[in-house]
Amino acid sequence: DSGVTQTPKHLITATGQRVTLRCSPRSGDLSVYWYQQSLDQGLQFLIQYYNGEERAKGNILERFSAQQFPDLHSELNLSSLELGDSALYFCASSPLAGAYNEQFFGPGTRLTVL
Amino acid sequence: DAKTTQPPSMDCAEGRAANLPCNHSTISGNEYVYWYRQIHSQGPQYIIHGLKNNETNEMASLIITEDRKSSTLILPHATLRDTAVYYCIVRTNTDKLIFGTGTRLQVFP
Repeated sequence: DSGVTQTPKHLITATGQRVTLRCSPRSGDLSVYWYQQSLDQGLQFLIQYYNGEERAKGNILERFSAQQFPDLHSELNLSSLELGDSALYFCASSPLAGAYNEQFFGPGTRLTVL
Repeated sequence: DAKTTQPPSMDCAEGRAANLPCNHSTISGNEYVYWYRQIHSQGPQYIIHGLKNNETNEMASLIITEDRKSSTLILPHATLRDTAVYYCIVRTNTDKLIFGTGTRLQVFP
């Protein structure tokens, strides 16, 4: 158990809908990262927040957005969902920002778009 | 970040050492080698990292060649629970992890 929690574990929805994935980092960790894992793209970095501010952006679609709240939990919002958005979404956290922080991953949310 | 090359799959007998190779011939002097693994569809798990020297922790050992162009992750006594996809990642001064395709290690009884 990494100490990172994600809800829900599974999510099934229809194309065109909007969903919100939630992540609670390990106690005291200030950085939160979001990754997407699909069958054809593998594990890809989406976005990082550090202490409430966006710090780094990866291949995140414009239909996706994220935020980190004052209590440090984070939400990833996915809108206008398409079949190709079906994937595992992982959240990770680390104590600080910077390259040499070990990232601790949560169990993931499996999103299925029908 | 430097690219890495790993064999797509490997087998190992339970109780034997599993040696997972990784090539990173374009690595720069300030880039670290990190290893993560992913068991089934669980979240990736950090294993170990190193810069130049060999490293050992409770999970594994990391051997980095003197020219730093390749490394080997060693699981000294593999168990069935070590069956997973192992990712070798070279990191520079960026926060994100760039995952390749990894090596699928199958430990058999």
